[in-house]
Amino acid sequence: DAGVTQSPTHLIKTRGQQVTLRCSPKSGHDTVSWYQQALGQGPQFIFQYYEEEERQRGNFPDRFSGHQFPNYSSELNVNALLLGDSALYLCASSLVRGRGPLNTGELFFGEGSRLTVL
Amino acid sequence: AQSVTQPDIHITVSEGASLELRCNYSYGATPYLFWYVQSPGQGLQLLLKYFSGDTLVQGIKGFEAEFKRSQSSFNLRKPSVHWSDAAEYFCAVGVRSGGYNKLIFGAGTRLAVHP
Repeated sequence: DAGVTQSPTHLIKTRGQQVTLRCSPKSGHDTVSWYQQALGQGPQFIFQYYEEEERQRGNFPDRFSGHQFPNYSSELNVNALLLGDSALYLCASSLVRGRGPLNTGELFFGEGSRLTVL
Repeated sequence: AQSVTQPDIHITVSEGASLELRCNYSYGATPYLFWYVQSPGQGLQLLLKYFSGDTLVQGIKGFEAEFKRSQSSFNLRKPSVHWSDAAEYFCAVGVRSGGYNKLIFGAGTRLAVHP
């Protein structure tokens, strides 16, 4: 059973460039969330996708956008990169189908994409 | 507003000693609580979770945590630490909105284990 897979694992960009990160959820999961983890900090929620729509969004600017595909995989796009965007970007998947008390919100995380902006 | 506080940034213990990592949360409803572990350069691995019922929950790798509603705490414990437990530990609360969930994490506690 494949877990959450992310690509690329590492990448280096320069300020002003754009980046796309990719995520495939755990088999059977239908929801993908993205988190940003800056060095020495806990992960911060960026947004969540379900049924190809953004369902929740954290306190991140519009430079951060995403997409979910019919096969539940997802992309995170960041435009006009800033030095402060350097971080580990974590993708997490979960199962929303069956919302209600059974939806306990347990997330399964990938190993992340480490972005360095120079 | 929802938040998670992990008061200890760094903790160092000797191998074989007991361990307790503190976590306090702020959330208006019944919380879903989680502990994750992150080894250097790795993603997050779920150690254990509390949803309801027994307030003492058992997890993987010999860890356990106790939910204390009166103290808004969810402290992680292990009776005897192994060198391989050296890692960063994150406490998180699950926040529900319209049927969807997100996690709010604490800043983490970095555990060092001395031989």
